[in-house]
Amino acid sequence: GQQLNQSPQSMFIQEGEDVSMNCTSSSIFNTWLWYKQDPGEGPVLLIALYKAGELTSNGRLTAQFGITRKDSFLNISASIPSDVGIYFCAGQPSSISSGSARQLTFGSGTQLTVLP
Amino acid sequence: NAGVTQTPKFQVLKTGQSMTLQCAQDMNHEYMSWYRQDPGMGLRLIHYSVGAGITDQGEVPNGYNVSRSTTEDFPLRLLSAAPSQTSVYFCASSYSGLAGAKNEQYFGPGTRLTVT
Repeated sequence: GQQLNQSPQSMFIQEGEDVSMNCTSSSIFNTWLWYKQDPGEGPVLLIALYKAGELTSNGRLTAQFGITRKDSFLNISASIPSDVGIYFCAGQPSSISSGSARQLTFGSGTQLTVLP
Repeated sequence: NAGVTQTPKFQVLKTGQSMTLQCAQDMNHEYMSWYRQDPGMGLRLIHYSVGAGITDQGEVPNGYNVSRSTTEDFPLRLLSAAPSQTSVYFCASSYSGLAGAKNEQYFGPGTRLTVT
């Protein structure tokens, strides 16, 4: 199946620092989604991107849909302790098959730790 | 509006036992899916459904069955549990999922399954 490369795998940052993570694919995607997962919980949608070049913010979070349609990044500004968790990217491949078009491919996640 | 609900939250099975993981959504979403999450492997699609009466296999379908008799419910059945099925299982739903449509998937809280 499709593969998404998400980096970094883990990050340890000081409270107040900015964070950046990204996902890349070898194929074109028409949707990029960013999720956060807290321990013992399901992933929660943070930002959805649907157009190449689109830049969308949600509070201190900003994500962009790469112009090549093969990558996306997520930035978190002025990190706080509650930002701790696993961040996942997910993409929907640009496929002409109605079945596969509905499937999302997930990155392996970035584990974020915020130190006080 | 409860979103996506899953039961049970925790389950321990012996090898060879069968069980059904329940998933329900109250958002009138057409598309529902089951994922398993294992350490370092992100989320992998087991089965999905694009509407009542229609199901299809995802990336890792072996050992699992699904059915979709109503729009709201999408149970996942393990016919003969194996230790390799020890994992966290997430159900998700989205409005449509068609390419070009807004198809954000919303996740349930997960079922943590251990097979001994």
